[in-house]
Amino acid sequence: GAVVSQHPSRVICKSGTSVKIECRSLDFQATTMFWYRQFPKKSLMLMATSNEGSKATYEQGVEKDKFLINHASLTLSTLTVTSAHPEDSSFYICSAREPGASYGYTFGSGTRLTVV
Amino acid sequence: AQSVTQPDIHITVSEGASLELRCNYSYGATPYLFWYVQSPGQGLQLLLKYFSGDTLVQGIKGFEAEFKRSQSSFNLRKPSVHWSDAAEYFCAVGVTGGGNKLTFGTGTQLKVEL
Repeated sequence: GAVVSQHPSRVICKSGTSVKIECRSLDFQATTMFWYRQFPKKSLMLMATSNEGSKATYEQGVEKDKFLINHASLTLSTLTVTSAHPEDSSFYICSAREPGASYGYTFGSGTRLTVV
Repeated sequence: AQSVTQPDIHITVSEGASLELRCNYSYGATPYLFWYVQSPGQGLQLLLKYFSGDTLVQGIKGFEAEFKRSQSSFNLRKPSVHWSDAAEYFCAVGVTGGGNKLTFGTGTQLKVEL
């Protein structure tokens, strides 16, 4: 079946630095990927929709300059948290839309970001 | 805009007992409905989905869900729970023309007592 690899699984960074999270579709091409943020004991909040070869579409309230999304190829989308602060600490999950499936998604295993 | 409500934050059941997790949605038409499971520190795995047709949907791991339009519900059931079913369960809704985006409920944490 479809597999999405998300890396790293955990990262600790210092406040003020930037962190890049990668989301790869391993055995299929994903023209659309989604980035979610999950707070402890909370649901998933969609941050942005990443479309290959074009700019990401951000949800209302998400700072596009802080959360940079790049979808440069059909198998890779990256989320860069710029100038990270402790309040950016969270669990970030990506998902990739399977080809030909309107609502067929495969999720990555998530990245736990801790900003100290 | 569509919304999803999962009324139960935590549920504890004994192994071997039956399970029902509730999910209610708000949307003017028939939405696309999903149930996902998340183990600690992991991503989400699709259990089952409903798009149209038979309102009783069978999924993986012995789960099923029933779409009830009159109640705007899509409850998840399993006749006999296993200890390995302990996890967080999310109901989600997608809508036609919604940019293929999913709206998730707040989740139900399932604990299984041995």
